[in-house]
Amino acid sequence: TQLLEQSPQFLSIQEGENLTVYCNSSSVFSSLQWYRQEPGEGPVLLVTVVTGGEVKKLKRLTFQFGDARKDSSLHITAAQPGDTGLYLCAGAGGSNYKLTFGKGTLLTVNP
Amino acid sequence: EAGVAQSPRYKIIEKRQSVAFWCNPISGHATLYWYQQILGQGPKLLIQFQNNGVVDDSQLPKDRFSAERLKGVDSTLKIQPAKLEDSAVYLCASSQGTGRSYTFGSGTRLTVV
Repeated sequence: TQLLEQSPQFLSIQEGENLTVYCNSSSVFSSLQWYRQEPGEGPVLLVTVVTGGEVKKLKRLTFQFGDARKDSSLHITAAQPGDTGLYLCAGAGGSNYKLTFGKGTLLTVNP
Repeated sequence: EAGVAQSPRYKIIEKRQSVAFWCNPISGHATLYWYQQILGQGPKLLIQFQNNGVVDDSQLPKDRFSAERLKGVDSTLKIQPAKLEDSAVYLCASSQGTGRSYTFGSGTRLTVV
C-alpha cells in the first residue's frame, strides 16, 4: 500500500506570510498531484508534476517534485485569505494510475 | 463544459437503512471514480470504472457497498445496510482516461445516526 504523509496537518498564518507544505512517501509515484478543497466542495486540481526535480509555478504557488519522485512540496508566497482551504497531495501509481491521497494540510490565512 | 454532477448534496439516514448516490460525469470521460472522504482524512478510492467495466474495487466493502455504471455514463453507489462509520462525504470524479487529470463533483455528505 502506498502511503502519503502530509505535514503540517494544520497551519494558521497571517496574511502576507510565506509557508511550505510537505508531502512525503517511501514509494515512487508516476506523477504527483496537488489539490485544494474548500468546505462543502470537491477537491480542485492545482497542478500535476511528473518529472523528478520538476518545479512548477502557479502565480504565488510553487510546486516541487523530489528527484526520486517520492516527495513533493508546495510553497505559497505572501499568503492571502483566499488561499484558505485543505491542500491535498495525491500520488499516481500502478497499472491503472490509481490515485492515493494524503490526509491533507488545513491552511487558514487570517486577514 | 459542465462539471461532474452529484446528488443528493446531503443525506441523513438511520443505521441499517439503505441509501443511494448518483453521479453524472463530464461528457466523454471514460473513467469514473467513487471516493469516500471521512472527516479529517483524504479521499479513499472505493471503485474505479473504465466505461462500464470495473477496474479496481479492492477497497470497496462489498458486503454492504455496491456500484454500477450500466451504460458507461452515469453511476450509482449504494450502501445497504448503512453503519455509523459510513458517515462521510462521497465524492465522484471523472477523467478522460487513466493517468489523466481528475475532475471532482461537490460530493454527497452522508450522516448515519
